[in-house]
Amino acid sequence: DTAVSQTPKYLVTQMGNDKSIKCEQNLGHDTMYWYKQDSKKFLKIMFSYNNKELIINETVPNRFSPKSPDKAHLNLHINSLELGDSAVYFCASSPHSLGQGRRDEQYFGPGTRLTVT
Amino acid sequence: LAKTTQPISMDSYEGQEVNITCSHNNIATNDYITWYQQFPSQGPRFIIQGYKTKVTNEVASLFIPADRKSSTLSLPRVSLSDTAVYYCLVGARNDYKLSFGAGTTVTVRA
Repeated sequence: DTAVSQTPKYLVTQMGNDKSIKCEQNLGHDTMYWYKQDSKKFLKIMFSYNNKELIINETVPNRFSPKSPDKAHLNLHINSLELGDSAVYFCASSPHSLGQGRRDEQYFGPGTRLTVT
Repeated sequence: LAKTTQPISMDSYEGQEVNITCSHNNIATNDYITWYQQFPSQGPRFIIQGYKTKVTNEVASLFIPADRKSSTLSLPRVSLSDTAVYYCLVGARNDYKLSFGAGTTVTVRA
């Protein structure tokens, strides 16, 4: 029944390591997103894919690379992890409803708490 | 993107109505006003969206005056489980990018 799921929920790793966070949505949505929520609780968008194509790429270090094997999945790979990468990462999805007269609502996953030591 | 301003925190008691006002003085003609709710250790959840006048659903009401420079989210008869951070977002229908501010932390006490 889970709409947007992420794995793992918690990730503790050391500086310099490479890690991935997986995201899957079973809502049939066309668009998926990655957000980062820092210690001050500010939520900022990182990437967005629509039908497997990148449509939003905010100012994010090249160490972060999203990968969308199909429109139900958007994974986030992070190379050479740094202390500042510690945060909660949220995946989200929304339907492609342009023309329906409203702004898409986004459905968020439960988050992945990444701790870099 | 239109900038939004909302109170940092609000306290309330169970059974009361909570009204959170968001200012968005430079809202554009094609911008919608959307509110999200975030519980601790969870992702944000869509509550309500409106363009003008009043919108009501099973969770909340959204009041938008004619000039649209502000909006008020109304939570009727709150319970302890309504304790959360509430975000006001403003943006165009075809703008995929949600811009979250600091939000308003609402604490409901018994």
